[in-house]
Amino acid sequence: KQEVTQIPAALSVPEGENLVLNCSFTDSAIYNLQWFRQDPGKGLTSLLLIQSSQREQTSGRLNASLDKSSGRSTLYIAASQPGDSATYLCASPAGQGGKLIFGQGTELSVKP
Amino acid sequence: EAQVTQNPRYLITVTGKKLTVTCSQNMNHEYMSWYRQDPGLGLRQIYYSMNVEVTDKGDVPEGYKVSRKEKRNFPLILESPSPNQTSLYFCASSLSTSGMYEQYFGPGTRLTVT
Repeated sequence: KQEVTQIPAALSVPEGENLVLNCSFTDSAIYNLQWFRQDPGKGLTSLLLIQSSQREQTSGRLNASLDKSSGRSTLYIAASQPGDSATYLCASPAGQGGKLIFGQGTELSVKP
Repeated sequence: EAQVTQNPRYLITVTGKKLTVTCSQNMNHEYMSWYRQDPGLGLRQIYYSMNVEVTDKGDVPEGYKVSRKEKRNFPLILESPSPNQTSLYFCASSLSTSGMYEQYFGPGTRLTVT
């Protein structure tokens, strides 16, 4: 049974800093791993999808990596901005029905 | 614009009063599902649909019903809402369940049952 874990639960950094968010999963036989952003009380915005055959994906200041052998994915945010403040969730599909297994999220605060 | 829409976005109701939350996607996706998000419990799948007229239970289906009469719509029905169904609800869709495809989420419906 797939389990997804995100540590730390919260992170505060000064503006301009490069940072890494971590995501761990227990079942290395994953199809893909998806990173989402959620603003307080709002919907989930898909940021990046990494297929199991890929090692990384990039979109603007975001770079996500996937290491199936170690059961880890990281989301790298370059030159962080206050507008990056949000909760970041990683998720992997598991089981019948395409259900996504989510981590608990990392709440990021970027201070001006 | 490709998107998943939900209505209403906010709803306050009383125990036992039937309600429906609508979900619609314009991406011709086969797969649609509903999640609820609760503090400390994260996101949990309620129901899903692999195609028109094909639906099945997720992890927390009790107290909910769904229907998939058209490909683009997947309404969530609460026949007799109770306070423990107070939550933030999300509809999601994807091209298929093959696991290769990105899943897209709606903006959420915040439901309060008093």
